[in-house]
Amino acid sequence: AQKVTQAQTEISVVEKEDVTLDCVYETRDTTYYLFWYKQPPSGELVFLIRRNSFDEQNEISGRYSWNFQKSTSSFNFTITASQVVDSAVYFCALGDDKIIFGKGTRLHILP
Amino acid sequence: GEEVAQTPKHLVRGEGQKAKLYCAPIKGHSYVFWYQQVLKNEFKFLISFQNENVFDETGMPKERFSAKCLPNSPCSLEIQATKLEDSAVYFCASSQSLGRGPQPQHFGDGTRLSIL
Repeated sequence: AQKVTQAQTEISVVEKEDVTLDCVYETRDTTYYLFWYKQPPSGELVFLIRRNSFDEQNEISGRYSWNFQKSTSSFNFTITASQVVDSAVYFCALGDDKIIFGKGTRLHILP
Repeated sequence: GEEVAQTPKHLVRGEGQKAKLYCAPIKGHSYVFWYQQVLKNEFKFLISFQNENVFDETGMPKERFSAKCLPNSPCSLEIQATKLEDSAVYFCASSQSLGRGPQPQHFGDGTRLSIL
């Protein structure tokens, strides 16, 4: 069975601090995709990244970076120099033809 | 269109009434997915379509829930005889193709269904 675990239910950090959101997944598939989505208070789902299981290169996009480690089945997300606008619920997800979401981490960035 | 369009944004129904939600996928996208997000943030996959054909319905409740994607019409998700537990945000997503793997699923803004 496929499963995504986001152990951190809620995190609060002060603005400008770095913060890492953890994600651990389980799958028997050899080919799969990993995703991160952001859900701000307004409720929409914002796509952040998709990573193929064969591509373990870390990725950086501005203040966002992702660390994919197949050996530990983890796909962690780091926000550098956090800003208040980063406050949201962040979902890690595993997918192929359908997406399995983790339960989300609610991130509070305090001014 | 360039976005997944879901209507209505909010829907309020009394318990036992019918609820119908609509989704227009991005033009050119062959796959449509429905997800249910309940209050504690948990997402549940309901059903997916490849064009007008059901692709995967393993998450669909056996009773009361039905869905369609007909040519030249928005896709729809219908709930008969609604219950309080059906209160949730229902998200629709579309993908261009599965091919070697899913394109990033583009999500609509969701329909918030409130059952009173």
